[in-house]
Amino acid sequence: ETGVTQSPTHLIKTRGQQVTLRCSSQSGHNTVSWYQQALGQGPQFIFQYYREEENGRGNFPPRFSGLQFPNYSSELNVNALELDDSALYLCASSLASSGIETQYFGPGTRLLVL
Amino acid sequence: KQEVTQIPAALSVPEGENLVLNCSFTDSAIYNLQWFRQDPGKGLTSLLLIQSSQREQTSGRLNASLDKSSGRSTLYIAASQPGDSATYLCAVRNTGGFKTIFGAGTRLFVKA
Repeated sequence: ETGVTQSPTHLIKTRGQQVTLRCSSQSGHNTVSWYQQALGQGPQFIFQYYREEENGRGNFPPRFSGLQFPNYSSELNVNALELDDSALYLCASSLASSGIETQYFGPGTRLLVL
Repeated sequence: KQEVTQIPAALSVPEGENLVLNCSFTDSAIYNLQWFRQDPGKGLTSLLLIQSSQREQTSGRLNASLDKSSGRSTLYIAASQPGDSATYLCAVRNTGGFKTIFGAGTRLFVKA
């Protein structure tokens, strides 16, 4: 196990609703990244947080937003859900200053938008 | 723009066979390359990480190589076992960047 946990494991929402997904990083890691993985595809980078600040973002609209807390846990918020938001959402933590930057992934949250 | 391609998309082999999974990337200015394993419906497990200055990494029956000049990496699995059945993902992080770019993966099935 990686020590990275995510909640909830599964979630069903309807179009237009809002959702919050949570991630608890591995102890001592100050960087968290979020990814969206559609069925049969590789994960797509959403954004990264380092010490509570967003320091990089992929090609996702502003309705995808995040937070990182002082204890380095993190949230991914998605507003105005669309059917295409149905996917596995993965978070990954790393120790940015290590120079190795292996990312440790959580088990993911599977979101279904109806 | 970095693009990562994995070939083949799917592979079925008998138990005991040695096999090679391929990964290619378009921009050689990478910070590192990482191979992951993903079981159905699960998160990703890191297998091997190769820094840009390295040529290969080994862990048990796994060996990963990196050739930046040609934009290629291979994952070699020796003496495959049914428990190796999973999707294998290749991911690169560009120099000076924060994004990790993934390939679509190779689905491996090892028959007993």
